[in-house]
Amino acid sequence: AQSVSQHNHHVILSEAASLELGCNYSYGGTVNLFWYVQYPGQHLQLLLKYFSGDPLVKGIKGFEAEFIKSKFSFNLRKPSVQWSDTAEYFCAVIDVSGTYKYIFGTGTRLKVLA
Amino acid sequence: DVKVTQSSRYLVKRTGEKVFLECVQDMDHENMFWYRQDPGLGLRLIYFSYDVKMKEKGDIPEGYSVSREKKERFSLILESASTNQTSMYLCASSLLTSGRYEQYFGPGTRLTVT
Repeated sequence: AQSVSQHNHHVILSEAASLELGCNYSYGGTVNLFWYVQYPGQHLQLLLKYFSGDPLVKGIKGFEAEFIKSKFSFNLRKPSVQWSDTAEYFCAVIDVSGTYKYIFGTGTRLKVLA
Repeated sequence: DVKVTQSSRYLVKRTGEKVFLECVQDMDHENMFWYRQDPGLGLRLIYFSYDVKMKEKGDIPEGYSVSREKKERFSLILESASTNQTSMYLCASSLLTSGRYEQYFGPGTRLTVT
């Protein structure tokens, strides 16, 4: 069965530290990949997406992610986190060569200490 | 901006009651989704719909049904609410256009079944 794994469930960082959140998926077909963020008390919103072209994609608020097809990975990075990045981050995959079914990871709670 | 609205932010129901959760989107999106969000489990797809009167089961459809009579509206029905359906319910919508599959989420309905 298709799945999305986020290995870090809770991450605590100090401001200005670098961030990398892992995301791996288990599907060999054509996929689109997403990172969503949920700030405390707010809606889930799109952070960035990959669907074709340059595997390094940039999103809002200085986030970026790299699609490595050979590793089935789409890790999220930010060089220097801020207190306002405290949120829950979800990786998601959609199979666009078959079911068009969305699958979300279990999420990573990031806490940034001021 | 896409707007996805849900009928209630908080709802308390008794075991055995029939519960209706309503979702409306204003951007003419073809796809609509219902998820439940539980701590440590991420988002789990209950049902989705890619067109009016069409529906597809997600990963956890048991105990739920859906209705999509109009393109902008997607309803989730709990036929006989049970305590294990206490959760946050999220509605989302998206286009059915290549490269534009990102989902837009509503604010969520926190349902408590007592």
